[in-house]
Amino acid sequence: GAVVSQHPSWVICKSGTSVKIECRSLDFQATTMFWYRQFPKQSLMLMATSNEGSKATYEQGVEKDKFLINHASLTLSTLTVTSAHPEDSSFYICSARSPGTGVTGELFFGEGSRLTVL
Amino acid sequence: SQQGEEDPQALSIQEGENATMNCSYKTSINNLQWYRQNSGRGLVHLILIRSNEREKHSGRLRVTLDTSKKSSSLLITASRAADTASYFCATGRNSGNTPLVFGKGTRLSVIA
Repeated sequence: GAVVSQHPSWVICKSGTSVKIECRSLDFQATTMFWYRQFPKQSLMLMATSNEGSKATYEQGVEKDKFLINHASLTLSTLTVTSAHPEDSSFYICSARSPGTGVTGELFFGEGSRLTVL
Repeated sequence: SQQGEEDPQALSIQEGENATMNCSYKTSINNLQWYRQNSGRGLVHLILIRSNEREKHSGRLRVTLDTSKKSSSLLITASRAADTASYFCATGRNSGNTPLVFGKGTRLSVIA
């Protein structure tokens, strides 16, 4: 199956700093990637849809200036949490569809990135 | 916004027993998918059932879909300790490369 890689798997940072999370599709090209956020023992909440070569589409309530998304190539999308605060501590997961599964098919997920802001 | 609602929220069973999880959704769908998540890990796709299908099998998994009731169920037969995980149903819009919306999930514990 298609492989999506996320880095880093975990990061601890001080309040006020910015953290960048990378999401790569390793064996396929992804014009669209999806970023989710998950709090402990809760479901995944969609944050934004990342589109290669254009601006991301953010869900209602997600601050675009806080969570910067860049999808500069067909295999890489990055999420930057700017001026992170303790309430931004969460598990961030990216996902994408491979061309072979069709536009409504299954999503392939990265392993997630656990952010802890002190 | 969340589309699917699973129940139960948590389920604890003995190894060898069957586990049934249910999911309800609100809007029309193209398909419904089930995913599994081990603690602290990404999600893994288990099975997809299309809106014109009523039942689908994959190994020890059996999924049903009732579009009139906007509900689905996931049955895991002969459960194993390794099945311990959270299970989520997910639905998407009818067309286009759009994101999936996930339910709240069921945390399954299989006791050896």
